[in-house]
Amino acid sequence: DIVMTQSPDSLAVSLGERATINCKSSQSVLYTYDSQNYLVWYQQKPGQPPKLLISWASTRESGVPDRFSGSGSGTDFTLTIASLQPEDVAVYYCQQFYSTPITFGQGTRLEIK
Amino acid sequence: QLVESGGGLVQPGGSLRLSCAASGFTFSTYWMSWVRQAPGKGPECVANIKQDGSVEYYVDSVKGRFTISRDNAKNSLFLQMNSLRAEDTAVYYCARGGDQWLLRYVWNYWGQGTLVTVSS
Repeated sequence: DIVMTQSPDSLAVSLGERATINCKSSQSVLYTYDSQNYLVWYQQKPGQPPKLLISWASTRESGVPDRFSGSGSGTDFTLTIASLQPEDVAVYYCQQFYSTPITFGQGTRLEIK
Repeated sequence: QLVESGGGLVQPGGSLRLSCAASGFTFSTYWMSWVRQAPGKGPECVANIKQDGSVEYYVDSVKGRFTISRDNAKNSLFLQMNSLRAEDTAVYYCARGGDQWLLRYVWNYWGQGTLVTVSS
């Protein structure tokens, strides 16, 4: 199984500041056949289902604000929120879909400082 | 829109059948999944089914106990859960995957979930 490890577990950032969340996979999720990273990021607010933010490690979903960006390749990935807004308070998860079982990180709780 | 139903309290060893009613998109053209989330934990994909029902995936912990199925004529997804255990306690979400094989495990639409509690 591919183990996904996020850091930090929780993060407090001031409004308007940058937030950075890291995700590391125990093996590469880069598929050499198509040079794609099989990794996505979700945002989950209390009492709601997860919301897909970014696919293929760096492709923002339609309607997702451009302050959200994803980067990285292979085993190391980052979700960056360029300027934190109040509505960004949530738990963020990375997920690999390179191989089954599909695995998620443990989540990073983002709060306002 | 995805609306789940059928959750509730069940004793260990019991059974439940979850349903998901889909609307607003062409149900028959998408991979569908059941994804669960235990209290305070991350999500876990428990089962996934191809558009025509010909391919099914189960996480090891539910193999032989859970069965996923779909009725494209009724825009519905189901999860039959037998021999339930305390560790199956979670919110169960119906989730839509992609319309292509590569995106079958990328979920861009989710229901609100239904709570399954397994306890005596």
